[in-house]
Amino acid sequence: LAKTTQPISMDSYEGQEVNITCSHNNIATNDYITWYQQFPSQGPRFIIQGYKTKVTNEVASLFIPADRKSSTLSLPRVSLSDTAVYYCLVGGEDSSYKLIFGSGTRLLVRP
Amino acid sequence: EAQVTQNPRYLITVTGKKLTVTCSQNMNHEYMSWYRQDPGLGLRQIYYSMNVEVTDKGDVPEGYKVSRKEKRNFPLILESPSPNQTSLYFCASSFGRGRATEAFFGQGTRLTVV
Repeated sequence: LAKTTQPISMDSYEGQEVNITCSHNNIATNDYITWYQQFPSQGPRFIIQGYKTKVTNEVASLFIPADRKSSTLSLPRVSLSDTAVYYCLVGGEDSSYKLIFGSGTRLLVRP
Repeated sequence: EAQVTQNPRYLITVTGKKLTVTCSQNMNHEYMSWYRQDPGLGLRQIYYSMNVEVTDKGDVPEGYKVSRKEKRNFPLILESPSPNQTSLYFCASSFGRGRATEAFFGQGTRLTVV
């Protein structure tokens, strides 16, 4: 499973777009990139997953460059309720049952 | 509603008193796993199961047991709890099969061993 590096913390204000970048230089051909969100004392929640280029859902967008060595989670117009820890995970089929969480990025959204 | 249900949500127990934390999922997922989360150490996997009667150790299995007799249930057993097992525990399930898939997590069980 590829190791990931992401900023420890980020600050933003309500209504702004937030971009969290994750570095995964050793990503393997079969690996997917998955982002989870976790609120205090709650279980992580799946946000988005992608393999290459761009993926968008109702919550976020995920940008993956051609070399796939990094990815960027984009949260449009954040609100206070987006304050959470965001984890970037990289893995193939084995990551379906063995998730390896790093330290994540603690996002604080201010009024 | 698709969900993973853990019980109890909170538990305070004494050292050495056997306990079981239950986990149940209603999504017919094959994969289930247990994690513990501790400040400064993040989320670490305890055990996982790829199907009924198939379980394997994660990164921190010492002091824990699991069983998977039915597809929907994956209880975590602490035969003789110790204070270093005080933690926040999460059960997760996922479909799997051929690619990385979304994992669903339970609400968590906060265990205190005194």
